[in-house]
Amino acid sequence: NAGVTQTPKFQVLKTGQSMTLQCAQDMNHEYMSWYRQDPGMGLRLIHYSVGAGITDQGEVPNGYNVSRSTTEDFPLRLLSAAPSQTSVYFCASSSQGFGTEAFFGQGTRLTVV
Amino acid sequence: GENVEQHPSTLSVQEGDSAVIKCTYSDSASNYFPWYKQELGKRPQLIIDIRSNVGEKKDQRIAVTLNKTAKHFSLHITETQPEDSAVYFCAASITMDSSYKLIFGSGTRLLVRP
Repeated sequence: NAGVTQTPKFQVLKTGQSMTLQCAQDMNHEYMSWYRQDPGMGLRLIHYSVGAGITDQGEVPNGYNVSRSTTEDFPLRLLSAAPSQTSVYFCASSSQGFGTEAFFGQGTRLTVV
Repeated sequence: GENVEQHPSTLSVQEGDSAVIKCTYSDSASNYFPWYKQELGKRPQLIIDIRSNVGEKKDQRIAVTLNKTAKHFSLHITETQPEDSAVYFCAASITMDSSYKLIFGSGTRLLVRP
């Protein structure tokens, strides 16, 4: 049981490049989300999904796209990377319902130069 | 929208002392309040949580209290140990129909001095 798996662990992009951060979970969780973590800012919600085919915006969605074609996968796309998107990105999943634990992936450290 | 404020941003205590971290939330519809611990270079992991129908919950050396009227909740760690040193995040969630959103505070860096 791998839990929540993120790839890659590290990535360096040039300004304007695009890339997709991958997130997969094998716990059959309905709910998945993406956060970015910046010093002093905590974990800020980018996008989230309550099930396949359903996505919604979080606190800081600009510059990011998501899709949820399967229960297992929830990729995060940066269409045109900017230095302000330099951050550590965490994917999380939880079973649907009231008050359930969120399980996090190991994180992706992204640097945009 | 939901906003969660967390204080202090850093906290240094002597081993064996108690540590208290406080959070306030803005949306009265919030109904679930977890606390996560993040060690250096690791992912956040749940340490304790409380639901809106409960005022206090304890698990060994850690406890969480909730004051719904004042919209604040706190984490209490007693008999602190060096391995408690980490960043702690509070969070608040709202469950609406079939949607569920978890918003985090900005984190508290706890240092336990041996």
